Amino acid sequence: EAGVTQFPSHSVIEKGQTVTLRCDPISGHDNLYWYRRVMGKEIKFLLHFVKESKQDESGMPNNRFLAERTGGTYSTLKVQPAELEDSGVYFCASSLGLVGYNEQFFGPGTRLTVL
Amino acid sequence: AQRVTQPEKLLSVFKGAPVELKCNYSYSGSPELFWYVQYSRQRLQLLLRHISRESIKGFTADLNKGETSFHLKKPFAQEEDSAMYYCALSWGVNAGNNRKLIWGLGTSLAVNP
Repeated sequence: EAGVTQFPSHSVIEKGQTVTLRCDPISGHDNLYWYRRVMGKEIKFLLHFVKESKQDESGMPNNRFLAERTGGTYSTLKVQPAELEDSGVYFCASSLGLVGYNEQFFGPGTRLTVL
Repeated sequence: AQRVTQPEKLLSVFKGAPVELKCNYSYSGSPELFWYVQYSRQRLQLLLRHISRESIKGFTADLNKGETSFHLKKPFAQEEDSAMYYCALSWGVNAGNNRKLIWGLGTSLAVNP
């Protein structure tokens, strides 16, 4: 089991461009989360999918960010157009089910640099 | 609003010394507290959660609701404990509400030989 995987590991783009980050959760995990760590700040929650539905998207910064989870499997996070303040490390996490406590397992993160 | 505070950005100790990483939180209900660790070039992983009351790799943490704290302690630090430690908060987890985690800034622990 590879665990949660994220692609790409690094992305460097220019302001105004579009970037799409991908997360593949652990197989069978219903919950998928996106978090972001901006340099010098706390890790911040972005949104939470339960299967293909958005359970909580209260952390999404603005409408330049669009997250999808096709068929309840992998998820993509698109930033369009990217701004300088979007630079940071984007983490994805997944957890198993909907009953009781389910540990969140994290991916290695995607480091996004917007120039 | 929920908030987690880790007052120390960096904590440096010698091998064999006791270590305490501080975490304070603000939440009006019943919180669920966690410690996550990120070793160099590895991903974030759960170290322990207050509900389980376990000792993992010699670390313990007790939830003190009066002081709203969840400090992480280890009596004798080892060099392999050097890592970034994050305190995180959630709520309603055991009721099946797999909610988001609210994170502290993290504390970088350096254990020197």
